[in-house]
Parts: sequence; structure tokens; C-alpha cells
Amino acid sequence: SQTIHQWPATLVQPVGSPLSLECTVEGTSNPNLYWYRQAAGRGLQLLFYSVGIGQISSEVPQNLSASRPQDRQFILSSKKLLLSDSGFYLCAWRGAGLNEKLFFGSGTQLSVL
Amino acid sequence: AQSVSQHNHHVILSEAASLELGCNYSYGGTVNLFWYVQYPGQHLQLLLKYFSGDPLVKGIKGFEAEFIKSKFSFNLRKPSVQWSDTAEYFCAVTTGGFKTIFGAGTRLFVKA
Repeated sequence: SQTIHQWPATLVQPVGSPLSLECTVEGTSNPNLYWYRQAAGRGLQLLFYSVGIGQISSEVPQNLSASRPQDRQFILSSKKLLLSDSGFYLCAWRGAGLNEKLFFGSGTQLSVL
Repeated sequence: AQSVSQHNHHVILSEAASLELGCNYSYGGTVNLFWYVQYPGQHLQLLLKYFSGDPLVKGIKGFEAEFIKSKFSFNLRKPSVQWSDTAEYFCAVTTGGFKTIFGAGTRLFVKA
């Protein structure tokens, strides 16, 4: 069966420090991968999505970037964190069909101090 | 740009009351539509989805939704809510490029 791993679960980082959040999927090939940020009252804001290795679509211009170095690995990064980067980050994957549902990771609570 | 609007941010109902949560999207092409639910302390899970055929779709736990193409709407309904339906509900749209965007969510509180 397919599983999605996202880590770390919580992270506290100082302003100006780098960031790397990792997400991996097991049990499937060529998944569509997504990074969202969830904030109270704002729902899930789509940050990046990828339909294949090296293919990244960015939805919100900001201080973050994403990479997909392997088929089932999706990384969210920043060179220098801002206070406004604090939030709850969710990784998700879906299969090849447009009508397939998303499967979510357990999320990372990021606090930038 | 594509967007999803959920009309109500907070809804409070008594048990056995009927529920309707509004969802409108803006996108001119073919879409696939979803409702997800997030119970307190849990991950998001799929309630129901529409991609073609009968515009009235039925999901888990007695929920249903109707796709009205002319109104760009996909409203969620349940005839009689229960205390256990207390949760946050999200409408989502997937476009042809696999982009999936969510609405801001509606927090439902059902009074016992």
C-alpha cells in the first residue's frame, strides 16, 4: 500500500536560517506531488506542485522553493527564513488520474523566531 | 487565476438540522471537484468527489453535493447533521494540469 512520509513534525528555526522539509512517497510511481501551507481561516494555500522529476510549478511568489530530485521525493526549501514563513506545511500526493483524491502527510509545524 | 470560494467560514447548527455549505469556483475549463473534511486532530479525508456523469454525488456519512455547471458551484448538503459532524470542511478543485486548489474552509459546530 502507498504511504507518505513527511518530516520533521515540528521545527523551530531562527529568522535568516535555511529550511529543508522533506516528503517521500512509497508504494507508487510517478505521483503528482504537492506542498500546501494551512493557516486558520485561509484553508490550504497551494505553494508548489510537481507532475514529474524536475518539474515544479510555483503558485505563490515568496521566500520558498521546491525541488523534486527523485520520482517520489519532494523537498521544500528556503535560503533565509522570514517570520512570515511560520505555519503548518502539508505534503500531499495523488495518482495519475485527475479525479483521484489527495493523500496528505502528517504535516510540519514550522515556527520562525 | 483559478480560485475557490466558500461562503461561510463558521456555521453553528443543532443536531438534526439540515446543512448546506456553499462552494463556488472560477475556472473556464474542465474541473474535478472534491469535498474534504478534517475532524479535530485528524488529517484531511475525502468526503466525496465529482468528475463526470450525474451532477448529484453521494459521499460518506450521508453527505451529498450537487455540481451546477452554469453557476460554477458545488454545494455540500446533509439532511440531518449529527454532533460527530463537527469538523472543518474544504472544497477543492483540480484542473487539467493537476493543479489542486482549496477554499478557505468552513468550520461547522453541531450542538448536541
